[in-house]
Amino acid sequence: AQSVAQPEDQVNVAEGNPLTVKCTYSVSGNPYLFWYVQYPNRGLQFLLKYITGDNLVKGSYGFEAEFNKSQTSFHLKKPSALVSDSALYFCAVRDDNYGQNFVFGPGTRLSVLP
Amino acid sequence: KAGVTQTPRYLIKTRGQQVTLSCSPISGHRSVSWYQQTPGQGLQFLFEYFSETQRNKGNFPGRFSGRQFSNSRSEMNVSTLELGDSALYLCASSLGVGGSQETQYFGPGTRLLVL
Repeated sequence: AQSVAQPEDQVNVAEGNPLTVKCTYSVSGNPYLFWYVQYPNRGLQFLLKYITGDNLVKGSYGFEAEFNKSQTSFHLKKPSALVSDSALYFCAVRDDNYGQNFVFGPGTRLSVLP
Repeated sequence: KAGVTQTPRYLIKTRGQQVTLSCSPISGHRSVSWYQQTPGQGLQFLFEYFSETQRNKGNFPGRFSGRQFSNSRSEMNVSTLELGDSALYLCASSLGVGGSQETQYFGPGTRLLVL
């Protein structure tokens, strides 16, 4: 069975500092990995994905994530946080076996303090 | 290209009623998935449709059903509403099967309140 864990409910970081939002996953096949962000009363916005290839993936708004197969992790990072980055972040995984649905983590609330 | 649209955006119903939510995917997308989002349970997968066929179904009671039309638009229906069905219902679309086509793009959601 597929599963996603986001071990931190809340991450606080000062503006200008680097941020990391953690994600670990479990799949039986090879993973497709995604990060989404949700602002209040909005749907989810796609940030970035790992399908195959380079382990370091760059996405929207200066975010990047590193796929680590041995640690089954896909942590989201940004070198310098902005107050406007404050939102709810979801990690998601889909097994590359045909017919598997997306599984989302519980979400991590990021607060960037001015 | 227009994004995923969902109608209505807000809905208030009473227990026992039924409700139908609609989702129009991004043009060219053939896969539509539905999710229920609540503060306590997070994002829970309801079902996924691809080319009018249900491909996957989550662990929800039979009161929750869906369908997809030939133009890829999708509807979900909840019958005999319960208070616990109050949630944000999100629809997501993607191109189809495999690789980078798997990226899901979400609509703004329909917020359902059951009184």
